[in-house]
Amino acid sequence: SQKIEQNSEALNIQEGKTATLTCNYTNYSPAYLQWYRQDPGRGPVFLLLIRENEKEKRKERLKVTFDTTLKQSLFHITASQPADSATYLCALVEYGNKLVFGAGTILRVKS
Amino acid sequence: DTEVTQTPKHLVMGMTNKKSLKCEQHMGHRAMYWYKQKAKKPPELMFVYSYEKLSINESVPSRFSPECPNSSLLNLHLHALQPEDSALYLCASSQGTGYGYTFGSGTRLTVV
Repeated sequence: SQKIEQNSEALNIQEGKTATLTCNYTNYSPAYLQWYRQDPGRGPVFLLLIRENEKEKRKERLKVTFDTTLKQSLFHITASQPADSATYLCALVEYGNKLVFGAGTILRVKS
Repeated sequence: DTEVTQTPKHLVMGMTNKKSLKCEQHMGHRAMYWYKQKAKKPPELMFVYSYEKLSINESVPSRFSPECPNSSLLNLHLHALQPEDSALYLCASSQGTGYGYTFGSGTRLTVV
């Protein structure tokens, strides 16, 4: 069956450190992988998209890697801040522009 | 305008009521989506509209009826819902494959 798995436990880190979140998938061959941030009671906010032929993408303090052999994406937040605390969702695009989400990882950054 | 606007923000309805959720975007996006999100779960796709035509229905019960009157508007008509349909209903839009989605803030629906 198809699965998108993210760190099931919340990730607690100290302010200023780098947060690394993992997204693994099985039985998908995605052309694109996306990362979103979601705050409680709000809609997801698009952060980054990486294509299957791209190894790495950066945007300010954010970095995403995509390894289609390992079927894994890593999402890094450098110099993390308490304001980065949220749920981070990995998502794959299926046929017909259908976006499917992983369960998400809760990130807590403590000052 | 870079937003997706959803109304109402909160809705309480009885199981015999008929109500509608509205979604609007003025970014020129030709794909629009309805998602349902239960507490502590990821968003789950319900419907996809592409160029104002329904392209994906994820086997959603007929008590949920989507409508796309034009390229900027998306409605979700609700009728005879069950308490288990209580959730956050999210609308999103995108330029298409290969682009991120823009989500609205959602409608928090409670069925009593």
